Amino acid sequence: SQQGEEDPQALSIQEGENATMNCSYKTSINNLQWYRQNSGRGLVHLILIRSNEREKHSGRLRVTLDTSKKSSSLLITASRAADTASYFCAGTGNQFYFGTGTSLTVIP
Amino acid sequence: NAGVTQTPKFQVLKTGQSMTLQCAQDMNHNSMYWYRQDPGMGLRLIYYSASEGTTDKGEVPNGYNVSRLNKREFSLRLESAAPSQTSVYFCASLWGQYEQYFGPGTRLTVT
Repeated sequence: SQQGEEDPQALSIQEGENATMNCSYKTSINNLQWYRQNSGRGLVHLILIRSNEREKHSGRLRVTLDTSKKSSSLLITASRAADTASYFCAGTGNQFYFGTGTSLTVIP
Repeated sequence: NAGVTQTPKFQVLKTGQSMTLQCAQDMNHNSMYWYRQDPGMGLRLIYYSASEGTTDKGEVPNGYNVSRLNKREFSLRLESAAPSQTSVYFCASLWGQYEQYFGPGTRLTVT
C-alpha cells in the first residue's frame, strides 16, 4: 500500500512563478524528505525536515511539516525551466515510504 | 566517485526467463535498497540490506530475490519473469541515516 500521496499530480506554471506541492502520509515518521526526479533519471535528495521541525528553508526551497495532519508542503520560489521534474515526498520510519509524485512543468 | 551504478540500463525478457540486475556503490555506504517505479505508483521498496550479510523484505518482495555480495554490491534476481514485473528498477544506498543516493535505473520489459 502506498504510504504517501502528493497533490496535485501535475502542475504547470510560468517561469518566475512559485510552485507549491503537498504531501500527505499515513504512518508516523521520524522525518520527511523531498526528492526530485528528472525524466529518465534516478531520484535526487533535495531537503529533509525532522518530525520536531515545522519549517525549513534551503535556497529557493521551503518545506513545512504538520505532524498532526500528517502533511507536508514543498514551495519552490521563482521557478526556472530547469525545475521541470517530478517531485516526491518520502517519509522515514522503519523504512522509506515514497509518495506518488507531482509532475512539475515550468514553461519558459 | 561513480556513485551508484546499475546494469543493464535496458532489458527485454520473455515470460519465464530469469535475470539479475546488478547494483554497485563506491561511497562505502552500509545500507542499500531496491525499488520499482510504476506509473502513478511512486517508488515501492522491494528489498533492502541494512549491512553486508543482511537482507530484509520491503513492500513488494514476491517474485524477487536479492544478494548482498559485499559492502559495494547488491543484486536483484528475477527467477521467472512475469509481465507484472515490467517496471523501472532503482537501486539506492544510504548516506548517514536519511539521505538516499539513487542509481540511474534499469528499464525492464517482460513480454
